Amino acid sequence: DGGITQSPKYLFRKEGQNVTLSCEQNLNHDAMYWYRQDPGQGLRLIYYSQIVNDFQKGDIAEGYSVSREKKESFPLTVTSAQKNPTAFYLCASSKQRNEKLFFGSGTQLSVL
Amino acid sequence: RKEVEQDPGPFNVPEGATVAFNCTYSNSASQSFFWYRQDCRKEPKLLMSVYSSGNEDGRFTAQLNRASQYISLLIRDSKLSDSATYLCAVNAYSGAGSYQLTFGKGTKLSVIP
Repeated sequence: DGGITQSPKYLFRKEGQNVTLSCEQNLNHDAMYWYRQDPGQGLRLIYYSQIVNDFQKGDIAEGYSVSREKKESFPLTVTSAQKNPTAFYLCASSKQRNEKLFFGSGTQLSVL
Repeated sequence: RKEVEQDPGPFNVPEGATVAFNCTYSNSASQSFFWYRQDCRKEPKLLMSVYSSGNEDGRFTAQLNRASQYISLLIRDSKLSDSATYLCAVNAYSGAGSYQLTFGKGTKLSVIP
């Protein structure tokens, strides 16, 4: 079955630690995205990538980093510079940049 | 004015009722429009795209009003399983070959037995 896989489902971060969230898709989609969702809030765009080896900052990129070395994979690193990382992180992909998004099942990140 | 705005609700309706949500957008250059459904602690799932002429999928009808810059979602014969948060999403060209998909904060629907 084609889809988007995020892992882990739950992740805990200690102070000063970098953590990486995995996102893999086998839909052959060109564009991939990372969103953050806080309770009762909408989705805010962190980073997006339209093509391999290229990515752009979204609205709230500070404290995060990404890579896009393969079409299928778009991992997100939450660095120690992100002072309020607790949130629900959603990865998404679309065939092209201006088309509908399909989401992974999300990663809940919490700070210990 | 916020880019994409929704009434957060909650909308509490009895089973079998008809309920409608609106979503307003500020960017007149917006090109594509979507409704997503999100269950608690789950990912958003595409419910339907919204076409200029309006479109229907079973009990769900979506409409676009470009003049007043809003989209709507109508749910007929509400089921308990329709209880969820409904997010609208609006895609607009943001320059330099780039598009920006902006989500509303969602409208919460509770269907009551």
